[in-house]
Amino acid sequence: TQLLEQSPQFLSIQEGENLTVYCNSSSVFSSLQWYRQEPGEGPVLLVTVVTGGEVKKLKRLTFQFGDARKDSSLHITAAQPGDTGLYLCAGAEGNEKLTFGTGTRLTIIP
Amino acid sequence: EPEVTQTPSHQVTQMGQEVILRCVPISNHLYFYWYRQILGQKVEFLVSFYNNEISEKSEIFDDQFSVERPDGSNFTLKIRSTKLEDSAMYFCASSVRRGLGNIQYFGAGTRLSVL
Repeated sequence: TQLLEQSPQFLSIQEGENLTVYCNSSSVFSSLQWYRQEPGEGPVLLVTVVTGGEVKKLKRLTFQFGDARKDSSLHITAAQPGDTGLYLCAGAEGNEKLTFGTGTRLTIIP
Repeated sequence: EPEVTQTPSHQVTQMGQEVILRCVPISNHLYFYWYRQILGQKVEFLVSFYNNEISEKSEIFDDQFSVERPDGSNFTLKIRSTKLEDSAMYFCASSVRRGLGNIQYFGAGTRLSVL
């Protein structure tokens, strides 16, 4: 079973600061997806990265897939209170299932 | 924007009862999935379904679970005899393709409470 560890588990920072959260595995994934989940709701897709070394930007969010396709990072610039939420990475194994990470709960303090 | 819809949003049942959780995937999607999330834990894969067959299932998906696509739009998860430990959020997801293009879109979930 492939495992995805996310760090930190909890992060609380002031509005305007920058932050990076990490998603690490000892296994290779064919692609990796980042989701955001609000309490009582389903994961909402933010981005998919496929190629080793790939970088994708979504406004103030920058996603990177490691060269070996085992890890990924999410960097947020100038965090805003609206960024508060649970961020999940999920690795695609073969053609089918997603293996989810443990999640990073982010709180942005106004 | 198309979305995956799930009903009911909350299901309360007695232990031993059967429950059916319903999902309407995005209309042009061909691959369907169920995941569950026990409170405070990570999202776990249950089963994937394509072309009216289960294509992959996890060890969680035992004989008490079944899935069905009874018509062209619905995708259901049945739990035959619920246990207390089945209490969780159940998420349905769908994707238009497999492999590198496998981008899964999730519904809002059904919260199952087994008493």
